[in-house]
Amino acid sequence: GENVEQHPSTLSVQEGDSAVIKCTYSDSASNYFPWYKQELGKRPQLIIDIRSNVGEKKDQRIAVTLNKTAKHFSLHITETQPEDSAVYFCAALDTGRRALTFGSGTRLQVQP
Amino acid sequence: DVKVTQSSRYLVKRTGEKVFLECVQDMDHENMFWYRQDPGLGLRLIYFSYDVKMKEKGDIPEGYSVSREKKERFSLILESASTNQTSMYLCASRQGAGSGNTIYFGEGSWLTVV
Repeated sequence: GENVEQHPSTLSVQEGDSAVIKCTYSDSASNYFPWYKQELGKRPQLIIDIRSNVGEKKDQRIAVTLNKTAKHFSLHITETQPEDSAVYFCAALDTGRRALTFGSGTRLQVQP
Repeated sequence: DVKVTQSSRYLVKRTGEKVFLECVQDMDHENMFWYRQDPGLGLRLIYFSYDVKMKEKGDIPEGYSVSREKKERFSLILESASTNQTSMYLCASRQGAGSGNTIYFGEGSWLTVV
């Protein structure tokens, strides 16, 4: 089955700086890669996703890149704000089970 | 908006008790999932279901079972709760694979087994 690794586990940046979170996956057949943001005590919310036929996708201050050859994808947040502080999870769609396999999460703290 | 509702947000149960966690979605989704979330481990898949009466084991099914008698409802059952099942449980749902891949989560159920 799919295996997803996520780094770093914690990330602290100054407000206005950029943040990058990286994930690798094992199943070359995976074709969908979402990113979820989870604020304290709340449910994970989808913030951006990318499909395997696309190399990059951007939505305002967040962007995701995908390198299928290397089997890794990354989340980029620019001009970070204190409200970006949360735990971020990457995931890959296990095409066999049609279920998401998640990374272990990154706790992002944006210092004002 | 898709709504995935977990009826019990916070539960405290004793070791050996049978525990039911209920999840209901209101968007006629075919696929439903139960994940367990623990610090440093991310979300791990316990069981999932493609349709009514169907169930498939995920990565950590031991100690759990599920029931899907109606399309909108997917229940997670702990037959005999143990302290190592203290965790946060997340239910999720998704329309069938041919209709897009977005998965929506419920608010989560915090279970403490003492």
